Amino acid sequence: GDSVTQMEGPVTLSEEAFLTINCTYTATGYPSLFWYVQYPGEGLQLLLKATKADDKGSNKGFEATYRKETTSFHLEKGSVQVSDSAVYFCALGLNNRKLIWGLGTSLAVNP
Amino acid sequence: EAGVAQSPRYKIIEKRQSVAFWCNPISGHATLYWYQQILGQGPKLLIQFQNNGVVDDSQLPKDRFSAERLKGVDSTLKIQPAKLEDSAVYLCASSSGSQASTDTQYFGPGTRLTVL
Repeated sequence: GDSVTQMEGPVTLSEEAFLTINCTYTATGYPSLFWYVQYPGEGLQLLLKATKADDKGSNKGFEATYRKETTSFHLEKGSVQVSDSAVYFCALGLNNRKLIWGLGTSLAVNP
Repeated sequence: EAGVAQSPRYKIIEKRQSVAFWCNPISGHATLYWYQQILGQGPKLLIQFQNNGVVDDSQLPKDRFSAERLKGVDSTLKIQPAKLEDSAVYLCASSSGSQASTDTQYFGPGTRLTVL
């Protein structure tokens, strides 16, 4: 069935370090892929999305490329800030408008 | 554009009591979702509405949870009676419903429920 596997956390980085959070998926058809972020005490916010193979989503310095050949949608940022500390969720969007969620990866960025 | 509104933000009740949560989606959004998020986990879909009809409620514990979306706009989620394991954040989300897999869900701030 459809599923999302996300890199386990927690991830701890120093400010200005490079970030990668891995996400791979299993799906039939032509899903969309999403990254959501949840800051402490807040609801989920869409960070970026990609709707077809080779699309690159980007926002706030974060990027992810929809790779059909490797069934991946890894999240990257070149230089993280303390304010990026949050939980990041990878999600698969299906034709029935449902999202299949990864378990989330907690990121802590130290000054 | 106003986002998804939810109230209350926090609620503390004792087990066996009742509680209700309210959600107002983004104007014009046809699809509305209620999720339960337990601390440290991803969101779990409880119910999905398309306009005022239920699309999926397969994971809604129907012996104690109920939800309605009158007139296809606002929605309420009720728990009666509450159990300790219902302590969680209840998230409401909405989407335009115009496209299928590309439809983006927008979330409200959530209601944090504590059952004592």
